Amino acid sequence: DQQVKQNSPSLSVQEGRISILNCDYTNSMFDYFLWYKKYPAEGPTFLISISSIKDKNEDGRFTVFLNKSAKHLSLHIVPSQPGDSAVYFCAASEVISQFYFGTGTSLTVIP
Amino acid sequence: EAGVAQSPRYKIIEKRQSVAFWCNPISGHATLYWYQQILGQGPKLLIQFQNNGVVDDSQLPKDRFSAERLKGVDSTLKIQPAKLEDSAVYLCASSSQPLLGIGTQYFGPGTRLLVL
Repeated sequence: DQQVKQNSPSLSVQEGRISILNCDYTNSMFDYFLWYKKYPAEGPTFLISISSIKDKNEDGRFTVFLNKSAKHLSLHIVPSQPGDSAVYFCAASEVISQFYFGTGTSLTVIP
Repeated sequence: EAGVAQSPRYKIIEKRQSVAFWCNPISGHATLYWYQQILGQGPKLLIQFQNNGVVDDSQLPKDRFSAERLKGVDSTLKIQPAKLEDSAVYLCASSSQPLLGIGTQYFGPGTRLLVL
C-alpha cells in the first residue's frame, strides 16, 4: 500500500529552465512533508520541508508547494543546474508516526 | 560535524548466511532509524530507536531481522538467515528531534547488500 506516490520515474530538463517534481499522497492525516535529494552511492540528503499549515515554502532555488485538498505537493527548482541531477524523494508523515517515502524521480539537467 | 557513518558499504553473501550492519549516528542525536531501500523503491522504515529504546518496529521482519542500540549511540542491524529478497540498500538515519514524524533525518551512505 503505497501512501506516497511519485508517478514520474524520470524527468529531463534543460539547464536554466524550471524543474517540477510531483508527489501525491493518500493519507489526509499527513501533515509534514519533506523532499530529499540522492546522488548515486550516497544516502538521501534533506532538501526542503513544509508543514500542513503552509502552502508554500521557499529556500533559494527550491520551492515546495502543498495543495492539501488535492493531496499533492510539488518541488520547483529554478533555475535548474547540472548539479541538480539526482534522484528526488518526497516523504510524508503525521506527527507521532513514521515517514513514508515515495519511489523517487530521477532528474537529469541537460547542459 | 561528522555525518552518519555506516559499515560495511557493500556486502555479498549467500542465502541462509548471516550478516550484520553497523551505524554510528551524528553525535547527540537521540533518534536512530534503519530503512530498507529495494531497487526502484523509496526507503521503507524497519525500526526506529529513541535513545536505546525501540519506538517502532512494526515493519521489521522479526523472524529474521534484529536490531539493537546499546548505550543509545551505535546500532547494529542483523539478518539471520538472509533471503534473496533481502537484497537492498540498508540506510541508517539519525535525528535530533525526539518526536516521531517531524524534523530532519540525516542519512548515512547506506550498506548495499546482495544475497546470492
